[in-house]
Amino acid sequence: AQSVTQLDSHVSVSEGTPVLLRCNYSSSYSPSLFWYVQHPNKGLQLLLKYTSAATLVKGINGFEAEFKKSETSFHLTKPSAHMSDAAEYFCVVSDPYDYKLSFGAGTTVTVRA
Amino acid sequence: NAGVTQTPKFRVLKTGQSMTLLCAQDMNHEYMYWYRQDPGMGLRLIHYSVGEGTTAKGEVPDGYNVSRLKKQNFLLGLESAAPSQTSVYFCASRMGNQPQHFGDGTRLSIL
Repeated sequence: AQSVTQLDSHVSVSEGTPVLLRCNYSSSYSPSLFWYVQHPNKGLQLLLKYTSAATLVKGINGFEAEFKKSETSFHLTKPSAHMSDAAEYFCVVSDPYDYKLSFGAGTTVTVRA
Repeated sequence: NAGVTQTPKFRVLKTGQSMTLLCAQDMNHEYMYWYRQDPGMGLRLIHYSVGEGTTAKGEVPDGYNVSRLKKQNFLLGLESAAPSQTSVYFCASRMGNQPQHFGDGTRLSIL
C-alpha cells in the first residue's frame, strides 16, 4: 500500500522568492508520483509527473520536482513565486499494482505582494 | 476536447431527497473515480471503476451508489441525501498508471 505526507499545511512566500513544497511518500513498489494544483473553486490540474524516467521533472508554470528514492521524497519547487501561484497543491502517489491513488492532505500557498 | 465533464455544477437538495451526479469522459479511459472534497480533509475516494460494468468501494462509500453501464460514463447516486453529504464532488479518469484527469466539480448542498 502507498501513502503520502505533505509536510506543510500552509506555506507563505513573497512574490519573486522561491517556493518549496515538501512531500514524502511510502510505497512497496516503484511508484508514479504527481503534483496537482487547485485554484479556488476549480478542479485539480496536473503540474507534473514522475513515472520512472528522469529524476528531475519539469512541469508547467516554472515548477519542477525531484524524485529522491533514498529519501522517499518528491519535493516541488519554483525559483520565483508569482501571485497567480496562490492555490492549494496536492502530492499524489500511485503504485503500479493498485488502481487507487493516495493523495496528500494538501499545502495551501499564499503569495504576498 | 472536453476531457472530463461533470453535471450538474451546483445543486441544492433537501434532506431525504435523491439525486444522481453524472461524469462523462471522452478519452477512452478505463478507470474512473468519484471523490469528495471537504475543508481540511483533502480528497477522499468514494467509489471507483476499473472498467465498464465494474465498480468498487473506496474510502468513504456509505450513503452512495455508483454505476458504470457505459465506458465513458460513471454515475454517482445519493439515495437519501443527508447534511453530512454536503461537499464538493470530483470525478476523475485515467489510463494505466498515467495521471488522473479531473472534472471541474459539483458543489452539492443538502439542507
